[in-house]
Amino acid sequence: DQQVKQNSPSLSVQEGRISILNCDYTNSMFDYFLWYKKYPAEGPTFLISISSIKDKNEDGRFTVFLNKSAKHLSLHIVPSQPGDSAVYFCAARSSNDYKLSFGAGTTVTVRA
Amino acid sequence: SAVISQKPSRDICQRGTSLTIQCQVDSQVTMMFWYRQQPGQSLTLIATANQGSEATYESGFVIDKFPISRPNLTFSTLTVSNMSPEDSSIYLCSVVISTGPEQYFGPGTRLTVT
Repeated sequence: DQQVKQNSPSLSVQEGRISILNCDYTNSMFDYFLWYKKYPAEGPTFLISISSIKDKNEDGRFTVFLNKSAKHLSLHIVPSQPGDSAVYFCAARSSNDYKLSFGAGTTVTVRA
Repeated sequence: SAVISQKPSRDICQRGTSLTIQCQVDSQVTMMFWYRQQPGQSLTLIATANQGSEATYESGFVIDKFPISRPNLTFSTLTVSNMSPEDSSIYLCSVVISTGPEQYFGPGTRLTVT
């Protein structure tokens, strides 16, 4: 049973524009959410996280928004750059367990 | 963060054989995990590597197939035993280095079983 879902397998965006990646979860016990970026032949790289006590967290070009009532989060990348082309994974965990549940990933392609 | 290395980075193995993957971290860590990413799939947790005791396995994974050791706070091994082509995956170790939510991943080991 997939507890974290990324329903868009791919996203294509022009350089300089905004990339919006979406993620939904079903487990109401999840209270930490993380985004990872993965290049081919490399391990996932941690990007940004958000606790359920917040609805927004910003770090440079990356902003994560959390809507607890909808069990939905999104990652905004502004402006998008060619180096952002990668697979992005949404992950979630509960506060009493460090195990992560991952979404299926969204492949982002930034066009010049 | 932490610097995490894995050996080997990739291997091609024959069915029926076993491969041991090493994970080394440059600092003491709170927790270590092993994940698998099958082709075209997401990451799936195999087990939590517990220091000095038996690993804790997730549903669908068993010790006979994926024995894990963690002799100290910076090192762990995962063995993929009696391999079949279905074991062809990227195997990743990850660590937690503080009480924060972040979990850091090694570069992965790409295993192909023929």
